Amino acid sequence: KNEVEQSPQNLTAQEGEFITINCSYSVGISALHWLQQHPGGGIVSLFMLSSGKKKHGRLIATINIQEKHSSLHITASHPRDSAVYICAVGYGGATNKLIFGTGTLLAVQP
Amino acid sequence: NAGVTQTPKFRILKIGQSMTLQCTQDMNHNYMYWYRQDPGMGLKLIYYSVGAGITDKGEVPNGYNVSRSTTEDFPLRLELAAPSQTSVYFCASSYPGQQKETQYFGPGTRLLVL
Repeated sequence: KNEVEQSPQNLTAQEGEFITINCSYSVGISALHWLQQHPGGGIVSLFMLSSGKKKHGRLIATINIQEKHSSLHITASHPRDSAVYICAVGYGGATNKLIFGTGTLLAVQP
Repeated sequence: NAGVTQTPKFRILKIGQSMTLQCTQDMNHNYMYWYRQDPGMGLKLIYYSVGAGITDKGEVPNGYNVSRSTTEDFPLRLELAAPSQTSVYFCASSYPGQQKETQYFGPGTRLLVL
């Protein structure tokens, strides 16, 4: 069993739909990260959180430390949101090492 | 700032050849990392460094070597390329401080070993 599990692996949505991607982890963590990988391959950090909820534009990330679970929500989805969304958990204290999930491939159709 | 840059973007190697993947960051980040990404798998940590002169192994270090002589540069060396090293390689960096846990990624190097 992987230490970081994401679901679903693939997701197709219609433009405007509300989208949820889930991440569960089985290790003790210092923080949880959500990253976005565009079709061209570049990876950018969306959120880093260790409790509660964060919001940036149409993106919302939540984490439940007790349940070892995080969700990434996209409101009013748009075709430009099409990408792979990756959950990663920080461990190793000061070294800031990450364990990555396998990613969720999101396609938003117009 | 250019951020994290990697060269080359793409390379084909023959089995047994050697090469160095270059990574440079201009953000004065102490921490740097090398990952590989294989289809259907999460990124795996190869090596990391917490500062100039200090490196350590990650999850999948076999077949690779690194050095960190300056804060800016963190090259990854493949000594005897094998088909199992066909992958996309990402370099990342982060700065210990207020934003210490956000990692900034380079654009990646796609390597094909034939």
